[in-house]
Amino acid sequence: EAGVAQSPRYKIIEKRQSVAFWCNPISGHATLYWYQQILGQGPKLLIQFQNNGVVDDSQLPKDRFSAERLKGVDSTLKIQPAKLEDSAVYLCASSQLTSGRYEQYFGPGTRLTVT
Amino acid sequence: AQTVTQSQPEMSVQEAETVTLSCTYDTSESDYYLFWYKQPPSRQMILVIRQEAYKQQNATENRFSVNFQKAAKSFSLKISDSQLGDAAMYFCAYRRRDGSEKLVFGKGTKLTVNP
Repeated sequence: EAGVAQSPRYKIIEKRQSVAFWCNPISGHATLYWYQQILGQGPKLLIQFQNNGVVDDSQLPKDRFSAERLKGVDSTLKIQPAKLEDSAVYLCASSQLTSGRYEQYFGPGTRLTVT
Repeated sequence: AQTVTQSQPEMSVQEAETVTLSCTYDTSESDYYLFWYKQPPSRQMILVIRQEAYKQQNATENRFSVNFQKAAKSFSLKISDSQLGDAAMYFCAYRRRDGSEKLVFGKGTKLTVNP
């Protein structure tokens, strides 16, 4: 079974530029998560999708971050414009359903450096 | 709001010995899940072990076991017969049992295994 795929693995941009990350979840997984992991901290949920609908985006900085999951499969996370404090690893995860009894499987992450 | 605290930023253990990683959490809920995740350097996060709060029996997975103390809100991870491949960041996480509540992570403990 293929795991969660993410691209790119690394990205370096200057502040005020825009950037997009892509995630392909495990086939058949209805729930998709985007996490932000700042160096030295645990992951923090940015947004959670159930199929193509948003379940929780309470911690997404909506003035600069946006995410979509068209057709309930792949997802993209965009930052525009980027700030220095956005430097982090962005993790995508998926699970069969939303309930806590379903394991979340994580992708390898995209390491973003904003200079 | 739920919080997860890992008070040991770094731990080290000799190969083949046993190490215990600590985690405490704060919640007003009675039914929830607790997790330990492993994140090797530059590799993706994987689930090590899961505990359901309503179960009194401590979860075990091969060399990994937990000591779940619900009243004390403590959830420690014991790694027996430590191996070089156990070296990683370990994150403790909490999630409500039902609904779409997010995973709440601690800041992590970096485990070094010395040969």
